[in-house]
Amino acid sequence: QKEVEQDPGPLSVPEGAIVSLNCTYSNSAFQYFMWYRQYSRKGPELLMYTYSSGNKEDGRFTAQVDKSSKYISLFIRDSQPSDSATYLCAMSPPGSARQLTFGSGTQLTVLP
Amino acid sequence: GAVVSQHPSWVICKSGTSVKIECRSLDFQATTMFWYRQFPKQSLMLMATSNEGSKATYEQGVEKDKFLINHASLTLSTLTVTSAHPEDSSFYICSAPGQGANNEQFFGPGTRLTVL
Repeated sequence: QKEVEQDPGPLSVPEGAIVSLNCTYSNSAFQYFMWYRQYSRKGPELLMYTYSSGNKEDGRFTAQVDKSSKYISLFIRDSQPSDSATYLCAMSPPGSARQLTFGSGTQLTVLP
Repeated sequence: GAVVSQHPSWVICKSGTSVKIECRSLDFQATTMFWYRQFPKQSLMLMATSNEGSKATYEQGVEKDKFLINHASLTLSTLTVTSAHPEDSSFYICSAPGQGANNEQFFGPGTRLTVL
């Protein structure tokens, strides 16, 4: 079993839709949770960062962490074609916190 | 946010040659940098941790004699793929941790290596 599981998709939605992306994990030591966006042939770009459980909102993006269920989510409201990319969840424990464990990524296409 | 650059952005080489990829932190210092490899439609796999002033730490299954890492200064780490083979063709990405208390990592734009 992988430490971090993420549905690879692909996921296609119409413009304006609400998108829900999810990851589950098995390592209860993970405390730092991140979402990265990666456009084709580019390096990942940090979108959202959350420490421990809770919600965090930034514009059209909302990140949720449920440590009791070992489940994290990223919601994108009013999705735009420019949101089309691969979304990677990443997480790390304290201590070796700078080494990230990535999910496999979900490929999202927002259709105009 | 902090900026990390990589050079070259893409390279094509013949089998058996060596290729050097540079990773630079442009506006901050990084005592640690990370090197990842990403195959098409797959996630990032950590290859090694580059440490300024000491030897790199390699992940299990990564050949340290094939993937030479040198952290020459607080802003530069290099990855040299020695005696490259077609199976080494991949997207290589470096990252550096941010300076704050958070655990953000800032990624370079990646280098696409194609070995013929």
